[in-house]
Amino acid sequence: DVKVTQSSRYLVKRTGEKVFLECVQDMDHENMFWYRQDPGLGLRLIYFSYDVKMKEKGDIPEGYSVSREKKERFSLILESASTNQTSMYLCASRKDRGYGYTFGSGTRLTVV
Amino acid sequence: QKEVEQNSGPLSVPEGAIASLNCTYSDRGSQSFFWYRQYSGKSPELIMSIYSNGDKEDGRFTAQLNKASQYVSLLIRDSQPSDSATYLCAVNRPSNTGKLIFGQGTTLQVKP
Repeated sequence: DVKVTQSSRYLVKRTGEKVFLECVQDMDHENMFWYRQDPGLGLRLIYFSYDVKMKEKGDIPEGYSVSREKKERFSLILESASTNQTSMYLCASRKDRGYGYTFGSGTRLTVV
Repeated sequence: QKEVEQNSGPLSVPEGAIASLNCTYSDRGSQSFFWYRQYSGKSPELIMSIYSNGDKEDGRFTAQLNKASQYVSLLIRDSQPSDSATYLCAVNRPSNTGKLIFGQGTTLQVKP
């Protein structure tokens, strides 16, 4: 089975801190995605990547950046954390177009 | 009109009954359709994928696709309390990226 591993299950950070969320997949998947999920708002795409060193903005990229230096790792960066970035962050990967996503277990981030 | 629409529920069924979850989508060019199950506080898990018109069965789950009506459904036979979760419908956006568009999800409650 494909495994998508997110480095932290729970994280508490202070306003203004730079936050790194790490995601690693072990099945040589081409595509990787970062979502946030909030009650009543569903899953919202932040950034995605179709190849190493490639990134594209999703629907809500403001306040975030990403890095994909290696195929298996896709990092989400909150440049200056704010309280409205308190959320569940979900990383996902898939083999290619036409396949479903496999999600990581999620990181619940609280910004205080 | 939302790209992928689901009734938020909750849908309540007695144990042993058939649960029927529905999803409509707006883009006729969509080719790939997925159902995810998400338990409270957990990440989404892929349970069914369907690509052609008709039914696809996997154990107690049956996915049904009707592209002419732009409609995809999930039937859960012999519903169990452990099936209580939110079910997300996802449809690919027919573009060069093929990103998945997620519905808001339907909450299913199976009562013993």
